[in-house]
Amino acid sequence: SYMMTQPPSVSVAPGQTARITCGGNNIGRKSVHWYQQKPGQAPVLVVYDDSDRPSGIPERFSGSNSGNTATLTISRVEAGDEADYFCQVWDSSSGHVVFGGGTKLTVL
Amino acid sequence: EVQLVQSGAEVKKPGESLKISCKGSGYSFTTYWIGWVRQMPGKGLEWMGIIYPGDSDTRYSPSFQGQVTISADKSINTAYLQWSSLKASDTALYYCARSGRQLVHPFDYWGQGTLVTVSS
Repeated sequence: SYMMTQPPSVSVAPGQTARITCGGNNIGRKSVHWYQQKPGQAPVLVVYDDSDRPSGIPERFSGSNSGNTATLTISRVEAGDEADYFCQVWDSSSGHVVFGGGTKLTVL
Repeated sequence: EVQLVQSGAEVKKPGESLKISCKGSGYSFTTYWIGWVRQMPGKGLEWMGIIYPGDSDTRYSPSFQGQVTISADKSINTAYLQWSSLKASDTALYYCARSGRQLVHPFDYWGQGTLVTVSS
């Protein structure tokens, strides 16, 4: 079945740019969605279809997807962005939804 | 306003059965997929399965096929996740989440989660 790999952790100073990757075979051919999960809360969709933002999500959150890597980019990182981030796709070959393992973003 | 409201926390013994629920409101319940996601303590998100309430078309993750049953009652806008014989390893937080009209769509609304604790 399809698998996606995320780095376990990413650290960034406030005001800098955080990039969280999601690797998978030809992931560029799939639609990738990204979720933010803060401690004790349900996940929140922050980017869908590779690069679109739901209403209410700051423009600081953006996404890209090409080749074997999708990337969530958070510009001008704030303390409130500290959370776990998960990528997700639907694998049409298997008909299954797949989540990446998650990345913990630490704001230094 | 779209809402998914899940049933409350459960404490069960190994071998017992359990059915938890997820009630949708504020949208057409029958025309959006509803998925179930497990989160074990301190771990990531695991997709368990998904159901289309309109016709009860259901898909399961291979990891959960045969271990749980997903169902829906469209007359009361409610989806269910059930176990016939719980194990200690089923201890986790379970979320329901709404997907779009197609499986390629993201989970745009999530329930608050139901904590299931299985302990003798």
